[in-house]
Amino acid sequence: QVQLVQSGSELKKPGASVKISCKASGYTFTKSAINWMRQAPGQGLEWMGWINTNTGSPMYAQDFTGRFVFSLDTSVSTSYLQISSLKAEDSAVYFCARGSETSSAFDYWGQGALVTVSS
Amino acid sequence: QSALTQPRSVSGSPGQSVTISCTGTSNDVGFYNFVSWYQQHPGKAPKLILYDVVERPSGVPDRFSGSKSGNTASLTISTLQAEDEAEYSCCSYAGSYTFVFGGGTRLTVL
Repeated sequence: QVQLVQSGSELKKPGASVKISCKASGYTFTKSAINWMRQAPGQGLEWMGWINTNTGSPMYAQDFTGRFVFSLDTSVSTSYLQISSLKAEDSAVYFCARGSETSSAFDYWGQGALVTVSS
Repeated sequence: QSALTQPRSVSGSPGQSVTISCTGTSNDVGFYNFVSWYQQHPGKAPKLILYDVVERPSGVPDRFSGSKSGNTASLTISTLQAEDEAEYSCCSYAGSYTFVFGGGTRLTVL
């Protein structure tokens, strides 16, 4: 069965960096894009962008350019989200989700990774 | 682009129906039939319940249905059950390989 398993919670100081992983299983990793979403406390979901798992080419939403980087290691079917120069407002749950092969939707989601930025 | 607009909360009694709206623009909801809906229980990951406006993934009850008129998509949940109490979020394709979510709607089953 399709599964996306994300790395655990992180507590970081302002200005530090964090790298979250999203390991896929149960399907051919390079056949579906991986999307990343952010959910701040008590807020709605925000689409951050996606990475083409075949070419490695990323696409970032307007609000997520510069400090946010998507990457891949196809040898272990894993996508990564790295956030640099962390700010308090980056504190949120970050989800990865598979782009459906047959529709425009996100059909399988990781369990989420909580990032807390605090001094 | 701006987030899609959803009501902050809706409520209904068991057995009733509720409808949640999702309003975008002619550049997203109004232009593409690529609206999806997600159900999220507290502390859990979102779950896909509708895609391409009206389609249900395997395993999603037919109590969940979708529609669209102009720039507004809607999710209707009929015969409400206690386990339907959750946050519901819409999402639309917005062109150029981008997507936009709504702010989410909290459904309370009274």
